[in-house]
Amino acid sequence: QQQVKQSPQSLIVQKGGISIINCAYENTAFDYFPWYQQFPGKGPALLIAIRPDVSEKKEGRFTISFNKSAKQFSLHIMDSQPGDSATYFCAASMMSGGYNKLIFGAGTRLAVHP
Amino acid sequence: DVKVTQSSRYLVKRTGEKVFLECVQDMDHENMFWYRQDPGLGLRLIYFSYDVKMKEKGDIPEGYSVSREKKERFSLILESASTNQTSMYLCASSFLQGRYFGPGTRLTVL
Repeated sequence: QQQVKQSPQSLIVQKGGISIINCAYENTAFDYFPWYQQFPGKGPALLIAIRPDVSEKKEGRFTISFNKSAKQFSLHIMDSQPGDSATYFCAASMMSGGYNKLIFGAGTRLAVHP
Repeated sequence: DVKVTQSSRYLVKRTGEKVFLECVQDMDHENMFWYRQDPGLGLRLIYFSYDVKMKEKGDIPEGYSVSREKKERFSLILESASTNQTSMYLCASSFLQGRYFGPGTRLTVL
């Protein structure tokens, strides 16, 4: 019930294309949904996040779409660039036992080809 | 910017050795975390600490312990390293719901 399922495991996109990564969750207590971006040799870094009271959030070329009824959310990368090649993790957060619990998806390795 | 530093980028140890992984954050965050990252499994929480000398087990604490003697420093200890502890270890600190990660330590246990 506290899992976050992420797909696909890997993704290859041509430069200029749209990259789409999907996540699904079960527990309706989750109230914050961040996406993290990780480059090789680096730790994950917060990319963009959304709360369940909105259906979409856009920051530059990155957009989160959120479907509360379906318990699904997705990351769209418009005009994908080779510099976007990285591993992306979705996550879901809720208060549990007095601290903020963050559950991560398994990750998606994105490769953008020139 | 928040900075989280980890003592080693790469570490190679022998089975049975005691291993210390150190993490330091410079933003006066109350909460600190240790995760391990394995392909196809995402990031899994080992231990966390919400205050000095306080610690709580995460999802996979077996074979690990932690120490937090100062607010800025959080150590992960492998009492007797085993080959199944070969992994990438990530430290993080947080304020509210975000996580700020260090660069990671890739530990290989032979």
